[in-house]
Amino acid sequence: KQEVTQIPAALSVPEGENLVLNCSFTDSAIYNLQWFRQDPGKGLTSLLLIQSSQREQTSGRLNASLDKSSGRSTLYIAASQPGDSATYLCASLLSGNTPLVFGKGTRLSVIA
Amino acid sequence: DVKVTQSSRYLVKRTGEKVFLECVQDMDHENMFWYRQDPGLGLRLIYFSYDVKMKEKGDIPEGYSVSREKKERFSLILESASTNQTSMYLCASSLVQYGYTFGSGTRLTVV
Repeated sequence: KQEVTQIPAALSVPEGENLVLNCSFTDSAIYNLQWFRQDPGKGLTSLLLIQSSQREQTSGRLNASLDKSSGRSTLYIAASQPGDSATYLCASLLSGNTPLVFGKGTRLSVIA
Repeated sequence: DVKVTQSSRYLVKRTGEKVFLECVQDMDHENMFWYRQDPGLGLRLIYFSYDVKMKEKGDIPEGYSVSREKKERFSLILESASTNQTSMYLCASSLVQYGYTFGSGTRLTVV
């Protein structure tokens, strides 16, 4: 059964810093991997979707990479801002017939 | 953009009540899902559906049922609400190649 792990569980950084959030998964035969953002008390907002054939995806200050062989994905946030404070979750999909499996998230605080 | 709409943001129900949580998506997605989210436990899958009239149990289906009479609507039913079902409930829909889209969530409190 796929397991997704996110370390650390919480992270606090000063504004302007570049940072990396880590995600690891046990079964490397994934179909795709998705990163989400969640603000307190709200639903999940999709940030980036990486297909299994891709190595990375970029959106603005965000860059997500995927290394299937090592079972790892990273979310890079450039020039962090207080508005980036949220919980970030990664989730992997093994196939079209299996549900998304989530990590427990990394709670990010960006201090002004 | 795909929109997933959950009918209530906040809900307070009494123990023993039958509770309906509604979810509607507007992009003709085949797949729909119900998760609950609790502090320290993350997101846990309750039920999912890959087609109308089809439903599959997730990791924690006990005490819940679902209905999918139409492609765009997926309802979660708490047959007899209990206090341990107090939680944030999240609905999602997907097309496999485009990823999941979530609703804004329903915070359910059972008293």
